[in-house]
Amino acid sequence: DTEVTQTPKHLVMGMTNKKSLKCEQHMGHRAMYWYKQKAKKPPELMFVYSYEKLSINESVPSRFSPECPNSSLLNLHLHALQPEDSALYLCASSQDEHSGANVLTFGAGSRLTVL
Amino acid sequence: GQNIDQPTEMTATEGAIVQINCTYQTSGFNGLFWYQQHAGEAPTFLSYNVLDGLEEKGRFSSFLSRSKGYSYLLLKELQMKDSASYLCAVMDSNYQLIWGAGTKLIIKP
Repeated sequence: DTEVTQTPKHLVMGMTNKKSLKCEQHMGHRAMYWYKQKAKKPPELMFVYSYEKLSINESVPSRFSPECPNSSLLNLHLHALQPEDSALYLCASSQDEHSGANVLTFGAGSRLTVL
Repeated sequence: GQNIDQPTEMTATEGAIVQINCTYQTSGFNGLFWYQQHAGEAPTFLSYNVLDGLEEKGRFSSFLSRSKGYSYLLLKELQMKDSASYLCAVMDSNYQLIWGAGTKLIIKP
């Protein structure tokens, strides 16, 4: 299995809703990432988990809450989002956060619309 | 500061060759990556260069010159399906990926 699976593919939520994005990989990768991508912009790093511990939080607002239940799963919990949070949310994984040839394998993304 | 520059958009003809350039200034260097991203889809890995020189992979080649802070992605025998954005990314001394803004490649018949 060489894939990163993300669910849901599309999500529409109101500003008072609570929802979660899910990500799963079975490649034995020990680093998992959440990126946010707006149209015509490069991916913007949000969080990195390394060996199931939060390694990097790029000053992301607390309305985004990551969780890594085990080495294969990564969740992003969403609460009280703003319309400007509408974007494509990409999950990625790699062998190890701190290696040179650290190729990221991306999931297909979850397209989030906040009304 | 850290900076990666690549052209915003390029146009090429089906069957031709195109070269997409990337220049970078980063805090340290642990390799340069090229990713392809079709509209509305996730990026997919194309190539990785850490030593100077040319890496060839089928129709795609990537070149690196560390002394010049320069890389290019060369696409040969262009096909319509090559229409996509091409993202250059550099891994800095902290193993953080610094992304360029991407080059949108338009292929015309």
